[in-house]
Amino acid sequence: DTGVSQNPRHKITKRGQNVTFRCDPISEHNRLYWYRQTLGQGPEFLTYFQNEAQLEKSRLLSDRFSAERPKGSFSTLEIQRTEQGDSAMYLCASSLARGTDVTGELFFGEGSRLTVL
Amino acid sequence: KNQVEQSPQSLIILEGKNCTLQCNYTVSPFSNLRWYKQDTGRGPVSLTIMTFSENTKSNGRYTATLDADTKQSSLHITASQLSDSASYICVVSARNNDMRFGAGTRLTVKP
Repeated sequence: DTGVSQNPRHKITKRGQNVTFRCDPISEHNRLYWYRQTLGQGPEFLTYFQNEAQLEKSRLLSDRFSAERPKGSFSTLEIQRTEQGDSAMYLCASSLARGTDVTGELFFGEGSRLTVL
Repeated sequence: KNQVEQSPQSLIILEGKNCTLQCNYTVSPFSNLRWYKQDTGRGPVSLTIMTFSENTKSNGRYTATLDADTKQSSLHITASQLSDSASYICVVSARNNDMRFGAGTRLTVKP
């Protein structure tokens, strides 16, 4: 296992189309996070999973966004009816949360860059 | 409100020079602080992690400091190299799992 894997790395789509990103975390990690990052800004939290349970969603995650982690392993982030404002880098990160150490180190993937025309 | 502010927003230095990046936070109750390096178009990579009891931690030419009383951290880069050109992001975690990211400092090292 070489780390967190994301695909596709780049996606160009037309406004109104649906897109889906996939994230494969480090295999033993129980937590998986999605972030959005625009140019010159730090990552903004979207949502996270503990195993297959989605425990928190940001207000940034509008009803056009949905994330799943059906078997507690890989995760998908789908954006429906894309808008130009959705253009950003979508980062996935995973971590191993043990007991009271709920903020284990995040290991990030290389990101999926979305361009909406 | 839990926030993380980094300064400067951007910095240009000559190869071989030292520099210091700042991170101020209001995250509470504090759990840990991490510095990440993010190359353009890549995902962030962890440099250091510091908990409440740690004042200084080094990772090669990178040295992070933490003052939990004033809620400030710094990242000092010694003898900069061209490959240090990147964004450096400060991430502060609270004990309730709230994790806050700074906007980052964009460092450019010129030959």
